[in-house]
Amino acid sequence: AQKITQTQPGMFVQEKEAVTLDCTYDTSDPSYGLFWYKQPSSGEMIFLIYQGSYDQQNATEGRYSLNFQKARKSANLVISASQLGDSAMYFCAMRDNSNSGYALNFGKGTSLLVTP
Amino acid sequence: DTGVSQDPRHKITKRGQNVTFRCDPISEHNRLYWYRQTLGQGPEFLTYFQNEAQLEKSRLLSDRFSAERPKGSFSTLEIQRTEQGDSAMYLCASSFDTFNSPLHFGNGTRLTVT
Repeated sequence: AQKITQTQPGMFVQEKEAVTLDCTYDTSDPSYGLFWYKQPSSGEMIFLIYQGSYDQQNATEGRYSLNFQKARKSANLVISASQLGDSAMYFCAMRDNSNSGYALNFGKGTSLLVTP
Repeated sequence: DTGVSQDPRHKITKRGQNVTFRCDPISEHNRLYWYRQTLGQGPEFLTYFQNEAQLEKSRLLSDRFSAERPKGSFSTLEIQRTEQGDSAMYLCASSFDTFNSPLHFGNGTRLTVT
């Protein structure tokens, strides 16, 4: 069974600094996809970035980038130039071919607080 | 693109009552998912539809839960004889049926069972 682990329950970062949110995963399937979502206090889940297991380069999307280390089975999210609006819960999720209907399996999340 | 919409946003009900939630997915998407999220946890998969067919149900989905997606459009999730343990955020998501397609979530329905 696949598993997503986010070991940081809470993180603080000062505005304009970069922050790394950790995610490790476990799967025996060579084909898998990793997703990061942001959940502000209002509750909606916002898709941020995707990394496929066969992608040669680390994914980037604006201020978001993925530090994908396949051998270590880690897919850490890097947020550069943090903004106050980045304060939210962040969830790492994975899909492999064992997931019914390509459903995502989520970690427990990391709470990020950006301070002025 | 109007996004995924869910109704109602909040529902307070007494234990033992039935409740029904509605989800309108993004119209181009053929997959629809229901998730449940409790405080301090990530979303947990409940069930999904490929068009109008319900193809998988999680063990979390007890017999008191039923979901439908008539004509492959909107979906409803009904909980019968609610229990206090059903209190949670119920999230609906939709996507294309390709491996790298992200799930697009609605704002959720927060259920409180008193």
